[in-house]
Amino acid sequence: NAGVTQTPKFQVLKTGQSMTLQCAQDMNHEYMSWYRQDPGMGLRLIHYSVGAGITDQGEVPNGYNVSRSTTEDFPLRLLSAAPSQTSVYFCASSYSARQMNTEAFFGQGTRLTVV
Amino acid sequence: AQSVAQPEDQVNVAEGNPLTVKCTYSVSGNPYLFWYVQYPNRGLQFLLKYITGDNLVKGSYGFEAEFNKSQTSFHLKKPSALVSDSALYFCAVRDMGHSGGGADGLTFGKGTHLIIQP
Repeated sequence: NAGVTQTPKFQVLKTGQSMTLQCAQDMNHEYMSWYRQDPGMGLRLIHYSVGAGITDQGEVPNGYNVSRSTTEDFPLRLLSAAPSQTSVYFCASSYSARQMNTEAFFGQGTRLTVV
Repeated sequence: AQSVAQPEDQVNVAEGNPLTVKCTYSVSGNPYLFWYVQYPNRGLQFLLKYITGDNLVKGSYGFEAEFNKSQTSFHLKKPSALVSDSALYFCAVRDMGHSGGGADGLTFGKGTHLIIQP
C-alpha cells in the first residue's frame, strides 16, 4: 500500500519558471490538500479538494493552481515561480471531507528551491 | 477562528525520563485534536487523536495525550523517552462545528522540536 506519493522529492527552479508537483493516493480518499511548510510557521494550507472536480483555496493560494480530474491525483502547479515559494510542499489525503474525525495521511514532501 | 499554540520551539529531555510537549487550542465549538510527528526529510505521521470520550488518549510508539477542556490543552506525553523519539511534533485542531469553509478545518501549530539526549 503506497499511501500518498509525491514527485519530485527535490526541485530547483529559476524565477519565472513553471512546474507541476505531482500527488497521487491509492486509498480512495475523498479529500486531498496541499500544504507548504516554512521554518517557524508550521503548515499552511494552499489548496484543497473535497472530491473529483471540486477544488477550493486555502490560506495561501496565490501563485498556485490545482485541479482534481480523478479521485487519485491532485497536482499543484506553480505558474511563475518566485523565491518566496521556496519551501517544502506536502500533499495530504483523508477519508472524507464530511467525517471530520479522520486523520490525514501525508506524502514525503517536495523540497523546492527557487533561485 | 481556530488556532493552535505550541509554546516551546524545542524541548530537551534525557533518555529514560518522561517527556511532555505542550499544546493549547482555541475553537468556537468542540475540538477534534491530533498529534503528528515528522522525522527529518519525511512527511508527517499520525500519532494519536482525541475525538470524544476518555480524556487520556493512547497512540503509536508509546505516546499518549491528555485532553483538558477547562485548560483548552492537549499535551503529548511519554513515560520514558527514547533517543529515537527525537523529531518535530505538530499539534493540530479541527472545530467539530466547522462547516467546511476552510477546507477540512485542520489548523496546525508551529511545531516543537523534541531532542532526546543519550
